[in-house]
Amino acid sequence: DQQVKQNSPSLSVQEGRISILNCDYTNSMFDYFLWYKKYPAEGPTFLISISSIKDKNEDGRFTVFLNKSAKHLSLHIVPSQPGDSAVYFCAAGQDDKIIFGKGTRLHILP
Amino acid sequence: EAQVTQNPRYLITVTGKKLTVTCSQNMNHEYMSWYRQDPGLGLRQIYYSMNVEVTDKGDVPEGYKVSRKEKRNFPLILESPSPNQTSLYFCASSQNRGPYNEQFFGPGTRLTVL
Repeated sequence: DQQVKQNSPSLSVQEGRISILNCDYTNSMFDYFLWYKKYPAEGPTFLISISSIKDKNEDGRFTVFLNKSAKHLSLHIVPSQPGDSAVYFCAAGQDDKIIFGKGTRLHILP
Repeated sequence: EAQVTQNPRYLITVTGKKLTVTCSQNMNHEYMSWYRQDPGLGLRQIYYSMNVEVTDKGDVPEGYKVSRKEKRNFPLILESPSPNQTSLYFCASSQNRGPYNEQFFGPGTRLTVL
């Protein structure tokens, strides 16, 4: 079963607008969540994380929101830039294990 | 430069021929992990290690072995590779215990098993 779900395989957003990437999870025991970004032919790079005891974390243009009752988190990118075009992975962890979603490909349109 | 290196970057092999993919990090990180990335499946954790001589199974450990004899190295061993292990493999490391913290990923190893 898929414990971390990214239901949108791809998303297109105009440059300068807000990009919202969504992620749902099933395991209420997850105690931390992370977002990674991946360019082709490179390893993923860390973007931002959030502990399960918080509902928001912000870092520059990136904000992650956590709604524990809905088992949902989202990544907001404002404003979107061409360099944001990449695959974004949501991940959730408990103890020392981590589960990744399948990823969402974000296209930033000029 | 702080980095995670993997070798080889590309490998084509045949079923049953033992192989090792090396992973090394120069950041003195305690936590290291291996993942595989497959189309439509995202990243799946194979094995992880919290410190020297401490390893544990991730989500998809079948057909793989690892060892952690030194802090900087975490090789992935396929004793008898099969075609379903054709994949893109990533090694990662992070400071402190567990992947709560930012993980630094290597550039990946693309493995094809014929």
